[in-house]
Amino acid sequence: SQQGEEDPQALSIQEGENATMNCSYKTSINNLQWYRQNSGRGLVHLILIRSNEREKHSGRLRVTLDTSKKSSSLLITASRAADTASYFCATDRAGNNRKLIWGLGTSLAVNP
Amino acid sequence: DVKVTQSSRYLVKRTGEKVFLECVQDMDHENMFWYRQDPGLGLRLIYFSYDVKMKEKGDIPEGYSVSREKKERFSLILESASTNQTSMYLCASRPGLAIQETQYFGPGTRLLVL
Repeated sequence: SQQGEEDPQALSIQEGENATMNCSYKTSINNLQWYRQNSGRGLVHLILIRSNEREKHSGRLRVTLDTSKKSSSLLITASRAADTASYFCATDRAGNNRKLIWGLGTSLAVNP
Repeated sequence: DVKVTQSSRYLVKRTGEKVFLECVQDMDHENMFWYRQDPGLGLRLIYFSYDVKMKEKGDIPEGYSVSREKKERFSLILESASTNQTSMYLCASRPGLAIQETQYFGPGTRLLVL
């Protein structure tokens, strides 16, 4: 079953705007990762946040984690057309370190 | 840079055919994975391997088998292809056993079974 659920399912913004995507999960986790997938391609790792971290930055990306709400958000600032992609969260559950649980993804369109 | 390659980007096969999907990584990673990706269902793990000749079932192994004879190569086999196996197949590798380590994905194989 899919633990991670991203919302919105689809997002369309203009270049230069910020994009925020959310991921919710059901059980306690050790880590949460975000990946990007360009159309018809493989996934690329963006950032990992551990359960004891609340916020992490990488370039124009900012990820937050709220373990009390079992949710994470990915913020892309000053978006570019090249950010157009699908974004997935993946969690590894506490006590189960064998496989990641993937969300269904948010499809982001950045219009020039 | 880690490179994960998959043998085909697009593949068309007929129902009942035996299908081989090959995946090769060049970074001496211990773990390798096969996923399928379908609209509305996300990524689902078919099989993974944590060492040569070692394999473990994922969430949807039925109708599939795998082979890992060499560390760098992980093959997915559809013994008798069916139309419901039409999908995007993604291979990934990971350096070690730690689940928080990054997974590196290949470009995917889009398989159509007629």
